[in-house]
Amino acid sequence: KAGVTQTPRYLIKTRGQQVTLSCSPISGHRSVSWYQQTPGQGLQFLFEYFSETQRNKGNFPGRFSGRQFSNSRSEMNVSTLELGDSALYLCASSVQGVTEAFFGQGTRLTVV
Amino acid sequence: AQSVTQLGSHVSVSEGALVLLRCNYSSSVPPYLFWYVQYPNQGLQLLLKYTSAATLVKGINGFEAEFKKSETSFHLTKPSAHMSDAAEYFCAVSDLGGGSEKLVFGKGTKLTVNP
Repeated sequence: KAGVTQTPRYLIKTRGQQVTLSCSPISGHRSVSWYQQTPGQGLQFLFEYFSETQRNKGNFPGRFSGRQFSNSRSEMNVSTLELGDSALYLCASSVQGVTEAFFGQGTRLTVV
Repeated sequence: AQSVTQLGSHVSVSEGALVLLRCNYSSSVPPYLFWYVQYPNQGLQLLLKYTSAATLVKGINGFEAEFKKSETSFHLTKPSAHMSDAAEYFCAVSDLGGGSEKLVFGKGTKLTVNP
């Protein structure tokens, strides 16, 4: 069974640009969550999607958005990038809740 | 809101020694608790989880953790450290606030294993 796939693995963007990250969940998983990991703030919850609906959102500015498609694949978008957005972005998928969440390898975003 | 405190951002042990990584949670209601491990430039791998069954939980790679409600703790242990255990470890708690379950993580503990 394939795991959670995140693409791309590495990304370098310039301040002010926008970026889209992709997450393909494990087959049959309908919940996709996103987390941001930085050395200063640690791991922070961004949002969670279930059956194409955003069910929960963390405390991030509106520049951070996401969506989920009918095949459960999810994308997150960050507009008007700031240096502080440099982070490892992790995606996790599960059937329903967090007790069976599996994480992808992450996308390392560097904003210069 | 739930929170997790991991005591010690860095822990160093000798190969073969006991590993003890500490985690305390804040909750009046026993939540679900998790330990994850992260190797450099990798995602998070679940080591073990507590979901209100047995209080002593066994995980992968010889790790185990004990849920102690009276101490609101969920410390991770391994009797004998191996060089391959060097990684960063995160304790997490489930949080139902905001409309659906999410994970709230501690700041992490980086484990170094000395030969």
